Amino acid sequence: EVQMVQSGAEVKKPGESLRISCKGSGYNFTNYWIGWMRQTPDKGLEWMGIIYPGDSDVKYRPSLQGQVILSVDKSINTAYLQWTSLKASDTGMYYCARRVTTVTTGLWRYFDQWGLGTLVTVSS
Amino acid sequence: DIQLTQSPSSLSASVGDRVTITCRASQSIGNYVNWYQQKPGEAPNLLIYGASNLHSGVPSRFSGSGSGTDFTLTISSLQPADFATYSCQQSFSTPFTFGPGTKVDVK
Repeated sequence: EVQMVQSGAEVKKPGESLRISCKGSGYNFTNYWIGWMRQTPDKGLEWMGIIYPGDSDVKYRPSLQGQVILSVDKSINTAYLQWTSLKASDTGMYYCARRVTTVTTGLWRYFDQWGLGTLVTVSS
Repeated sequence: DIQLTQSPSSLSASVGDRVTITCRASQSIGNYVNWYQQKPGEAPNLLIYGASNLHSGVPSRFSGSGSGTDFTLTISSLQPADFATYSCQQSFSTPFTFGPGTKVDVK
């Protein structure tokens, strides 16, 4: 069974650093991109970026470039989302998800397995 | 970035109703739309990919259509488990943006 298991909720102060994790199991971890999404009441679901565990290739949402870091440790099938200096506006629920690419009548890319989410609260 | 809008933002319906949700893209995106269902306190679940392809295990009462800029998700006969929020997502170009969601609740 494919599972994406995320780390627990975090409460941080502005300016602090944070790394949250997402462990994939039940499939070949290095063969599938892993995406990160943020969800807030104001902006809904936002695609933040995606990383390929096979070679650590990363694509960021342009507005987030330099604000977050995506990384992966293939040896333990775990992807990470990291901040070096949190802001109150980083508060939200963060999801990781496995991205599948299917080639049939088109090149279909979609998130088929999601983690349960990590709630990050940044407040002074 | 490609912007997605959804209509309506919310709707009230009864079990057995036919429900239609629309997603519109700010530019042509071919058939590169996915649909997700999300219930309160849960992660999104994939329903449809490539505008009209039903994901494995998803009931056949869900269907998707459309191409270019206009897409539709249809629930042919609403069931109690279907009261949720539905979001479209484009996979045409990064960032793979999501629509704002349509909440389906009980009339």
